[in-house]
Amino acid sequence: GAVVSQHPSRVICKSGTSVKIECRSLDFQATTMFWYRQFPKQSLMLMATSNEGSKATYEQGVEKDKFLINHASLTLSTLTVTSAHPEDSSFYICSARPGGAGTGELFFGEGSRLTVL
Amino acid sequence: AQSVTQLGSHVSVSEGALVLLRCNYSSSVPPYLFWYVQYPNQGLQLLLKYTTGATLVKGINGFEAEFKKSETSFHLTKPSAHMSDAAEYFCAVTISGNTPLVFGKGTRLSVIA
Repeated sequence: GAVVSQHPSRVICKSGTSVKIECRSLDFQATTMFWYRQFPKQSLMLMATSNEGSKATYEQGVEKDKFLINHASLTLSTLTVTSAHPEDSSFYICSARPGGAGTGELFFGEGSRLTVL
Repeated sequence: AQSVTQLGSHVSVSEGALVLLRCNYSSSVPPYLFWYVQYPNQGLQLLLKYTTGATLVKGINGFEAEFKKSETSFHLTKPSAHMSDAAEYFCAVTISGNTPLVFGKGTRLSVIA
């Protein structure tokens, strides 16, 4: 199957700093990537849809100025958590769908666990 | 909008016993349905999917699921549980190849030796 790589897998940062998480589709081009957030023992909540070459579409309640998403190429999307606070600590997972795939299947990265001290 | 309900946040079975994880969906149009598995601190791995055609779909690791439109269900089963099946399982729905997946709250499967 298609491979999505996410980096870093774990990051610890101080409150007030910014953290960037990268999501790469390794063997396919992804015009659209999706960023999810997962709280402990809970489901995945869609944060935003990342569109190559255009602005991301954020879900209601997600602060676009805090969670900056850039989709600069067909294989790379980044999520930057700006001025991180302890409540931003979470597991962030990106996903992508091969272009033209009509079955709706998403391939997921390994996830990035963010801990804000 | 679509939604998914997974009955039972935690299911515990004995090794070798039948696994049944329940999923009901809501969608105004024919859905695409998925089951994913997640191991601790990892991303999600696709177990199986239903898009069109045969309503009984087989996936990896011996899992299968049956799409029942009349019951709006897509329950996941495995005849004989293995210790390595212990994980979190998520049912998800979407309505096309261009829309994001909507996930259920997940069911944690424990397998007892």
